[in-house]
Amino acid sequence: DQQVKQNSPSLSVQEGRISILNCDYTNSMFDYFLWYKKYPAEGPTFLISISSIKDKNEDGRFTVFLNKSAKHLSLHIVPSQPGDSAVYFCAASAQKVQGAQKLVFGQGTRLTINP
Amino acid sequence: GAVVSQHPSRVICKSGTSVKIECRSLDFQATTMFWYRQFPKQSLMLMATSNEGSKATYEQGVEKDKFLINHASLTLSTLTVTSAHPEDSSFYICSARDPRARRNEQFFGPGTRLTVL
Repeated sequence: DQQVKQNSPSLSVQEGRISILNCDYTNSMFDYFLWYKKYPAEGPTFLISISSIKDKNEDGRFTVFLNKSAKHLSLHIVPSQPGDSAVYFCAASAQKVQGAQKLVFGQGTRLTINP
Repeated sequence: GAVVSQHPSRVICKSGTSVKIECRSLDFQATTMFWYRQFPKQSLMLMATSNEGSKATYEQGVEKDKFLINHASLTLSTLTVTSAHPEDSSFYICSARDPRARRNEQFFGPGTRLTVL
């Protein structure tokens, strides 16, 4: 039962253009969402997050959009840079139910930025 | 951000032996640490939540006698894979919550690649 799904295993984008990574979830109890970036043989590093009371959060080149009615969130990276090439994981938690502890991860999307 | 280390980064062992993996929070005290495993091209799957001074909470389907977790101090949690078998070969990653950080943010270690022959 995959509660968090990233349906695109890979994405290739030209340097300087916008990268859009998508994530869908099924559990309506999720109220906090995070994006992590992961390089090979390393642990994930936190990128950006959004609470369910918001529909947008922006941090520099990274913006996360949340559509609660569609149970969908997306990460926009603009402009994309070669160093953005990595695997991106979407994660969700249900703070009110699980006390803000447990993260459920999607399968990841491998982003490749082409020069 | 906060720093979490893991040791060893890579281990190869024979089937039937036990392997211990350490997870340390280097610049903060972590009352809660998490252990994940990741199979190739798959998601990070939470195995257990490790609470300092108490028993770990295991996710459904994870054998607690197989994967022993000890969180003896606020900066150290260990995962011991007992009587390892080839199907236990995986990438094991720990994370820790920094009480000073934004809510729900977990800081991850670099991971341990376990290969069981």
